Amino acid sequence: GQQLNQSPQSMFIQEGEDVSMNCTSSSIFNTWLWYKQDPGEGPVLLIALYKAGELTSNGRLTAQFGITRKDSFLNISASIPSDVGIYFCASNSGGYQKVTFGTGTKLQVIP
Amino acid sequence: ETGVTQSPTHLIKTRGQQVTLRCSSQSGHNTVSWYQQALGQGPQFIFQYYREEENGRGNFPPRFSGLQFPNYSSELNVNALELDDSALYLCASRMYRETGELFFGEGSRLTVL
Repeated sequence: GQQLNQSPQSMFIQEGEDVSMNCTSSSIFNTWLWYKQDPGEGPVLLIALYKAGELTSNGRLTAQFGITRKDSFLNISASIPSDVGIYFCASNSGGYQKVTFGTGTKLQVIP
Repeated sequence: ETGVTQSPTHLIKTRGQQVTLRCSSQSGHNTVSWYQQALGQGPQFIFQYYREEENGRGNFPPRFSGLQFPNYSSELNVNALELDDSALYLCASRMYRETGELFFGEGSRLTVL
């Protein structure tokens, strides 16, 4: 089945720093989605990407759909404590019913 | 807040028992899917319901079953519980079945002893 590999697996950063994480796949995808999950809650959609090369921002978050259609990255600028959580990339390119989630990147922000 | 509500939030069962989890979808969303999230992993697709019929299924055995009602709410039933069924069960609704933009509830944490 489809696998989405995220890196890094976890990261500790100082408040105010910028963060970059990425997601790769061996398959070509038509959509890339980024979700954030806070402890004890369900994932929340941050950004959706639908075209190769597309660059989309949502406040301090910026995500890009890779040109090869096999990768995507998410950047967070000027991190704050509430950015703490697990970030998942996802896609439903393998069949619209199923959304496949990546392995996750756990972000810790040190005040 | 997504408008998707799940109940119960936490429950404890023993091996061999059966469990029913419930979900109310966001207003206007006619498609509901269920995901299992084991500790430290990403959500795994169980199945999806659209217009009261199962509309796609992941790699889960038949003892995982579901229902969708005319008001688009849904149930997940798991029979013959096993220890590995311990997980967070997430319900997600979407505006139309082709989109990957999911709206998740807070989940039901199931512990099987």
